[in-house]
Amino acid sequence: GAGVSQSPSNKVTEKGKDVELRCDPISGHTALYWYRQSLGQGLEFLIYFQGNSAPDKSGLPSDRFSAERTGGSVSTLTIQRTQQEDSAVYLCASSPPSGAGDGYTFGSGTRLTVV
Amino acid sequence: AQSVTQPDIHITVSEGASLELRCNYSYGATPYLFWYVQSPGQGLQLLLKYFSGDTLVQGIKGFEAEFKRSQSSFNLRKPSVHWSDAAEYFCAVVPSSGSARQLTFGSGTQLTVLP
Repeated sequence: GAGVSQSPSNKVTEKGKDVELRCDPISGHTALYWYRQSLGQGLEFLIYFQGNSAPDKSGLPSDRFSAERTGGSVSTLTIQRTQQEDSAVYLCASSPPSGAGDGYTFGSGTRLTVV
Repeated sequence: AQSVTQPDIHITVSEGASLELRCNYSYGATPYLFWYVQSPGQGLQLLLKYFSGDTLVQGIKGFEAEFKRSQSSFNLRKPSVHWSDAAEYFCAVVPSSGSARQLTFGSGTQLTVLP
């Protein structure tokens, strides 16, 4: 597609439930990133996929968070046993093989509310 | 420690006035530098980026930024602000060397434009 697509745009879930957030990057972009944006915390890096390399998971806040990227394209961020502090906007970005040179394109995000 | 600082949490300017948003970084080597804008409920849009060369960078929507190595700064400017520029602005960096490719963001500056 023309841009980075994220779904759903909004998600309300009950505390303790699992959620899956989806990111469809720009075709041909080999790198994919997940960020979390919450009040008082700014934009936090979560995880980074680059081609077939092992992902950089250094930003995941707990083992309740995981992500996978199938076929080098679509990525799913999973949050298990959601907590109220997980409420945030989750942003996905992708970049081409040249990396930083051509910048990063962000999706519109998924707003997650845990009640 | 590596960091990106945006000293101004909130700035208010009148429409037609000039604007300068500050960004300072602390990295061992000059990183790649970016400015993004986020309108309410939207994702992040790239305004401009700096990798090397000319220290004055032109971006979209009439924005420019100047890289000053001696001050470790990359301030964003616009000569005449429009009401539609009201948004949150983020400075971001990526190390110019090493394997890390994720953006690190400043805490953001919220811009209010008065009529």
